[in-house]
Amino acid sequence: GAVVSQHPSRVICKSGTSVKIECRSLDFQATTMFWYRQFPKKSLMLMATSNEGSKATYEQGVEKDKFLINHASLTLSTLTVTSAHPEDSSFYICSARGFSTATYGDTQYFGPGTRLTVL
Amino acid sequence: AQSVTQLDSQVPVFEEAPVELRCNYSSSVSVYLFWYVQYPNQGLQLLLKYLSGSTLVKGINGFEAEFNKSQTSFHLRKPSVHISDTAEYFCAVKPDQGAQKLVFGQGTRLTINP
Repeated sequence: GAVVSQHPSRVICKSGTSVKIECRSLDFQATTMFWYRQFPKKSLMLMATSNEGSKATYEQGVEKDKFLINHASLTLSTLTVTSAHPEDSSFYICSARGFSTATYGDTQYFGPGTRLTVL
Repeated sequence: AQSVTQLDSQVPVFEEAPVELRCNYSSSVSVYLFWYVQYPNQGLQLLLKYLSGSTLVKGINGFEAEFNKSQTSFHLRKPSVHISDTAEYFCAVKPDQGAQKLVFGQGTRLTINP
């Protein structure tokens, strides 16, 4: 149980275009989803936290107008990188936290990640 | 606020040897503790977690970790490693109260040599 999927796994786009990444919790309801960015050989940097049905909370230094997050349902969150530039190229990882702490122990489960390359 | 220190950025080990990856944390409140593994070009997979109860926690792939509250440590161990254990390992903590975020360590690159 506790499987999180991401789509696409890899995307290449031209500078100036927008890219949407989907994150789904497949076998549990996720009241909270997280979006991380990971630079090569570095740890994960939390970008934002989203709760179903409400606006995302962005970490300091993360542009909310550039990284649009929508958490429309208990199983789906999307991250849209708007007007992407080469410096946005990175590995983006989503994470979901289960509704039931008794079952999931307040644990975050991670998706497989999306490699974004902006040309 | 919480912080996590993984004392070794890289750990090279020979196959079938034991390994210990060190993790220390700082927190003014009680915490939950986690170890995640990341294989190349993949997301993070939960290895094990400490929420409460026994301080020795067993996880997947033969790993275990021991929570030591007095030393604020949560070191990860495996008695005999395999080539397939080559990966990046992350220690993380979270306050046990409230919906607060995970705080990650910098990661330890475990390389298994034949």
